Formats: sequence, C-alpha cells, structure tokens
Amino acid sequence: AQTVTQSQPEMSVQEAETVTLSCTYDTSESDYYLFWYKQPPSRQMILVIRQEAYKQQNATENRFSVNFQKAAKSFSLKISDSQLGDAAMYFCAYRSLYYGGSQGNLIFGKGTKLSVKP
Amino acid sequence: ETGVTQTPRHLVMGMTNKKSLKCEQHLGHNAMYWYKQSAKKPLELMFVYNFKEQTENNSVPSRFSPECPNSSHLFLHLHTLQPEDSALYLCASSQDLGDYGYTFGSGTRLTVV
Repeated sequence: AQTVTQSQPEMSVQEAETVTLSCTYDTSESDYYLFWYKQPPSRQMILVIRQEAYKQQNATENRFSVNFQKAAKSFSLKISDSQLGDAAMYFCAYRSLYYGGSQGNLIFGKGTKLSVKP
Repeated sequence: ETGVTQTPRHLVMGMTNKKSLKCEQHLGHNAMYWYKQSAKKPLELMFVYNFKEQTENNSVPSRFSPECPNSSHLFLHLHTLQPEDSALYLCASSQDLGDYGYTFGSGTRLTVV
C-alpha cells in the first residue's frame, strides 16, 4: 500500500521570503500522480500543483514549484515570494495512474501548517 | 462559489441523535466522495459513488450511512455516533472516477457530545 509522509507539522516563513515544504512517499508503482493541496481557514481543499511521475520536468504554477526526485521518492513544494494569503494547511497527496479496485484514490499526508509572518 | 456546497457548516449532536450531512454539486461531475479529516491524521476516504452507485466503502462503521439519490447530491446519514467521530467531513467530486481533478467542498465540522 502507498503511504505519504509529511515530516513537518508546522512551518513558518517571513512575507516575501521562500519556504520549502517536504513530502516523501512510498510506492512500488512506476507511474503515478503527485499533488499539493492547500486548505485555508475556509476549509476548502484547493489544488495547488500536480506532477506526473513520468515527466522529469518539475511542475511550476506561478510562485509554486516542486522538486520531484523520483528515485528518492521525494516531492517538495517551494513557495516563492510568500504572501499572507499563503497561510494554510498544505497536504501532499499521491494517486495511482490507473483507477481500479482500491487503486486510484487520493492518498494524503498528515499536512503541514504554514504560517506567514508580516 | 466553490462548486461543491456542503451543509450544515457546523453540527453538534448527541450520541443518540440522528442527523444528516448534505453535499451538492452542479459541475456535471459523475463521481462523488466522502472524506473524514481528523486532527493530525491524514484524510481518510470513506465512500465513493459513481453515477449514483457506491463503488467503495472503506470499512466505515454502519453508524455512517451514505445516500446518493442522483449524481448531484450526496448525503451522509449519522446515528448513534461516538465522540471519536468528531471531525471535519469533506465532500468532493470529480468528472469521472479516474479523473484526478477533485473539487472539494468546505466541509461540515461535526462535534459529537
């Protein structure tokens, strides 16, 4: 079974600075998706960024980028030029490429609470 | 506007009560999901519905009873809950089961007293 581990329960960053959130995962599959979700105080989970494991190029979305290390099974999220609105819980998630049986559902980590200091 | 609306936003219920959580989406999605989010634990998938049919039940106790009358609505009926069932219950939808583009609601914060 796949597992997702986020080893940083809480992180803090100064506004306008850069912060990196860590995520590691365990899987025997070679093809899969990885995600970072943001959950602000409004509680709605919002997709921040997605990475396909078969793509070597790291995904980027504006100020958000990932460092995907497939061999190390590591998937970190870098937030550049942090803004007050970035304060939230961030969840790393894994999904098998194929859907069937018990596969294909999102598997989440425990989350990292990010605080942004003005 | 999130696309997925959950009501109520907060719910406090006694262990002998019966209540229901509602989830509604008008995104034209065919798959809907219930997740349980407890403090300091990963989100737990509870139920999956595809075209109104339940496709997964992740060993959820029978005191949680889902209902999906159509592809736009999903309910979670609650009865004789335990204090450890207190959590945030999130609903999500996706175009299809194999789609990774989940849209989540804002959840119902449930407190069992």
